Amino acid sequence: DAKTTQPPSMDCAEGRAANLPCNHSTISGNEYVYWYRQIHSQGPQYIIHGLKNNETNEMASLIITEDRKSSTLILPHATLRDTAVYYCIASGNTPLVFGKGTRLSVIA
Amino acid sequence: SQTIHQWPATLVQPVGSPLSLECTVEGTSNPNLYWYRQAAGRGLQLLFYSVGIGQISSEVPQNLSASRPQDRQFILSSKKLLLSDSGFYLCAWSPGGQGTYEQYFGPGTRLTVT
Repeated sequence: DAKTTQPPSMDCAEGRAANLPCNHSTISGNEYVYWYRQIHSQGPQYIIHGLKNNETNEMASLIITEDRKSSTLILPHATLRDTAVYYCIASGNTPLVFGKGTRLSVIA
Repeated sequence: SQTIHQWPATLVQPVGSPLSLECTVEGTSNPNLYWYRQAAGRGLQLLFYSVGIGQISSEVPQNLSASRPQDRQFILSSKKLLLSDSGFYLCAWSPGGQGTYEQYFGPGTRLTVT
């Protein structure tokens, strides 16, 4: 799996978009980018994944750069319930290996 | 739809006692199954994964073992618990076979060894 680098923490105002960056400069062609989040005392929750194209679902959008060396997870309208640790993983197979992630704090 | 169950939700056990945590998945066949542990304030550590009945891969040598007696059942065990076994134990599943699939996690078991 390619190594990923994420900022350890970020703050976001409630109602604003949260943009969480991830660097995966050594990603190989068959590796997908996955995003999960873990709310305190719960199991990780799958958010979204993609290979090359940008992806959107009911939770978030995933923007992958053309060279695939980095990506951004966008929560369009952050709420207090989005406060969590967000993990970015670049992997070509399971099991997924989780790093330290970004602790996102949504502030009222 | 698929559902993953874990029990118990919380457990307090004395050092030296045995452990058995169970995980079951509903609504799918031939899933890949995983056990992770998260120590307090730490990241997720992959412990075991299984691609089929009786097939177990161990990621970290330790005081724990895993078994898969049925297609959708995954059990984590220990004969004698250590204080360092305390943590949040998470079971996960993904569709089996070739390809890249997302993993889905259960609610977890919080184990405290005293």
